[in-house]
Amino acid sequence: GQNIDQPTEMTATEGAIVQINCTYQTSGFNGLFWYQQHAGEAPTFLSYNVLDGLEEKGRFSSFLSRSKGYSYLLLKELQMKDSASYLCAALDSNYQLIWGAGTKLIIKP
Amino acid sequence: GAVVSQHPSWVICKSGTSVKIECRSLDFQATTMFWYRQFPKQSLMLMATSNEGSKATYEQGVEKDKFLINHASLTLSTLTVTSAHPEDSSFYICSARGGQGYEKLFFGSGTQLSVL
Repeated sequence: GQNIDQPTEMTATEGAIVQINCTYQTSGFNGLFWYQQHAGEAPTFLSYNVLDGLEEKGRFSSFLSRSKGYSYLLLKELQMKDSASYLCAALDSNYQLIWGAGTKLIIKP
Repeated sequence: GAVVSQHPSWVICKSGTSVKIECRSLDFQATTMFWYRQFPKQSLMLMATSNEGSKATYEQGVEKDKFLINHASLTLSTLTVTSAHPEDSSFYICSARGGQGYEKLFFGSGTQLSVL
């Protein structure tokens, strides 16, 4: 079956760095997405990786290893507004998005 | 960036009534729109995929007679929850795909449905 695994909850300190991991098993693979979702709101797009390696976008970076079925989202210089759920989603061979359950990130002062 | 408008953002209704949710792509033509449901502390669950001018494709376990989807134009899709019951209370989110790249997937703001 198809599966996405990511931690349920993480806690970090304002100004620090946090890495949220995601492993996936899908029927074929056409890329991996990270979305940010604040409570009661729709997800907003953060990143899309389809090739191996690290892509940096400001304070956020996303990494992909296709051979390992693994990705991470790295958040630097954490701010209180970064408290949210972070959703990992993989695109399978039929271009269906397979969603993880999300990682709730709690930022403490 | 592209905008997807979804409304209402919040609705309370009595059990047995029907509720219609609209999803509009404001500045692009959405050939495909997706409807998701999300329960508290859970991930997005795809309910159905709709293509303009054709019948929606429903995911397994989703009742198509209960969740009516109409995608009448390239900018509008509607989801109607018919004869709503308390167990239908959830956060409903639409998304629209514009252009060729699948990364061009934009979400509406979501609708919180509470059925009393």
